[in-house]
Amino acid sequence: SQQGEEDPQALSIQEGENATMNCSYKTSINNLQWYRQNSGRGLVHLILIRSNEREKHSGRLRVTLDTSKKSSSLLITASRAADTASYFCATDVGGNNRLAFGKGNQVVVIP
Amino acid sequence: GAVVSQHPSRVICKSGTSVKIECRSLDFQATTMFWYRQFPKQSLMLMATSNEGSKATYEQGVEKDKFLINHASLTLSTLTVTSAHPEDSSFYICSAPSGRASDEQFFGPGTRLTVL
Repeated sequence: SQQGEEDPQALSIQEGENATMNCSYKTSINNLQWYRQNSGRGLVHLILIRSNEREKHSGRLRVTLDTSKKSSSLLITASRAADTASYFCATDVGGNNRLAFGKGNQVVVIP
Repeated sequence: GAVVSQHPSRVICKSGTSVKIECRSLDFQATTMFWYRQFPKQSLMLMATSNEGSKATYEQGVEKDKFLINHASLTLSTLTVTSAHPEDSSFYICSAPSGRASDEQFFGPGTRLTVL
């Protein structure tokens, strides 16, 4: 069943701006992960945040997790044209690596 | 870094035929692999868990006789779409856990199946 569910956003931003997208889920989780998918390609793992963590950074990425609200956000700072892609959150509910993906956010960064 | 490959990348077949898709972990062993399906402009849906040396575990609503999974070795899982129909046309993606403490999974590049 779908766990992670993003707000159905399609973001179109100028290069250099920040992009924020959100994800909500329904049940308890072990961790939440964010992935990027370029059109017609496989997924690239971006960042994982565990249920006992509240914030995590990786390069230009910042992820927050609010387990009380069952939500997460992904912030991409100083966006680049190469950041144009779909971004998905996924939750690992049972700790057995079975991932439930959200609907995804289409981000377009205009040069 | 670890790489997962899929073959073929694209396949077009006639309705009623069977199609086999391979998923390989290239530089690591994977006792477990996962198969996902993605329809256009939609998210990924987990179909099944492929287990080396034992039967696959299918998600609710996925027909095991329709989607045959074989995990013959620690580096290879195959998904066979039997008696394919146009509604089976989709993007099929496999993944394998890295086995590291990071819980990272590595995804294959996907296979685009078109059933005519």
